[in-house]
Amino acid sequence: QVQLVESGGGLVEPGGSLRLSCAASGFTFTEYYMSWVRQAPGKGLEWVSYISSDDYTIYYSDSVKGRFTISRDNAKNSLYLQMNSLRAEDTAVYYCARVHEWFLPDYWGQGTLVTVSS
Amino acid sequence: QSVLTQPPSPSGTPGQRVTISCSGSSSNVGRNYVYWYQQLPGTAPKLLIYRDNQRPSGVPDRFSGSKSGTSASLTISGLRSEDEADYYCAAWDDSLSGVLFGGGTKLTVL
Repeated sequence: QVQLVESGGGLVEPGGSLRLSCAASGFTFTEYYMSWVRQAPGKGLEWVSYISSDDYTIYYSDSVKGRFTISRDNAKNSLYLQMNSLRAEDTAVYYCARVHEWFLPDYWGQGTLVTVSS
Repeated sequence: QSVLTQPPSPSGTPGQRVTISCSGSSSNVGRNYVYWYQQLPGTAPKLLIYRDNQRPSGVPDRFSGSKSGTSASLTISGLRSEDEADYYCAAWDDSLSGVLFGGGTKLTVL
């Protein structure tokens, strides 16, 4: 079965950096586009970024563009999110998600919490 | 602020039918497929409906989706207590070149 396991979350000070990882299994990773979606405490879902199966196409939301970098390692079945210049408003649970089609997810990981605070 | 508008907090009693709407624009709902997700408390979202009205395997046929113009709807028939959750619509937006999620609808089963 499809499994997505995020790691790398934690507490970081404003202006700091963090790298999230997502280990994928149960499907052919190289055949799927992948995404990151976040959810601030008590708030709704917010799409963060998307990467095609071959790295060729990448999109970011305006709220993270220039600060976050999505990447993947197909040999390791892994997805990453490098987050720099973190702000308090980046505090959220970050979900790794497999893209079904039309850029929208079908399977989601359980999420990893990122807290930006001094 | 989300540009996919969902009602805030509908409620229903067991056995009833509830409809949750999702209002967008010509650059998102009007042009692209709508997906619906269910998020139970403390869990990750789960795909309920894709391509406006298709159910993944394992999703009960009590859940159905529809779309007309720039509005989409999720209908839950034969409401059950376990349907109490947050529901989100989503669609790709051609103008933003990004995915939009609705603000979410918290369904209460009385």
